Amino acid sequence: RKEVEQDPGPFNVPEGATVAFNCTYSNSASQSFFWYRQDCRKEPKLLMSVYSSGNEDGRFTAQLNRASQYISLLIRDSKLSDSATYLCVVKGQGFSFIFGKGTRLLVKP
Amino acid sequence: DVKVTQSSRYLVKRTGEKVFLECVQDMDHENMFWYRQDPGLGLRLIYFSYDVKMKEKGDIPEGYSVSREKKERFSLILESASTNQTSMYLCASHPGHTEAFFGQGTRLTVV
Repeated sequence: RKEVEQDPGPFNVPEGATVAFNCTYSNSASQSFFWYRQDCRKEPKLLMSVYSSGNEDGRFTAQLNRASQYISLLIRDSKLSDSATYLCVVKGQGFSFIFGKGTRLLVKP
Repeated sequence: DVKVTQSSRYLVKRTGEKVFLECVQDMDHENMFWYRQDPGLGLRLIYFSYDVKMKEKGDIPEGYSVSREKKERFSLILESASTNQTSMYLCASHPGHTEAFFGQGTRLTVV
């Protein structure tokens, strides 16, 4: 089993739609979880951290399920500007971060 | 705002050249990383450093070395560039338990 797995997509959705991505991780000792957004030919930027209780930031909601070892990202009312690749990131007890390969989202008019 | 700055956005080098990629962060972070990103392979860790003069190999260290003489600066060195090292190189830093911050990336082409 790969350390962090994501559906590569692309997810093609119309503007205004709700879309959800899941990400599974293999190391049950993982401690911190993040969603990053990466635009084409740009660096990844933090979208949101993922907390055990779940957290929301505007149209974005992140959830963590430790029992099943997955995290999710829900985007409501999709905008054209949400088109990007979304990277799931898991940090264990050591120094390094484990990145998923990303899920590509295309929001169309 | 945390700033991580990579010395070049685009580089073109010849096979066999020694290549230096520089990364500087301004937030006194202990930990710094070098990744490469290739289509279909995602981000792969080359080397990381958790303190001055300390370095650890990541998943794909072959053909690379690093230097961390000062806390704010982490350099990636391609000893003898090869065409299979054509890639996007990303530097990141983080203070410990929060998120990582990335530089803008260096797109290296080896011809």
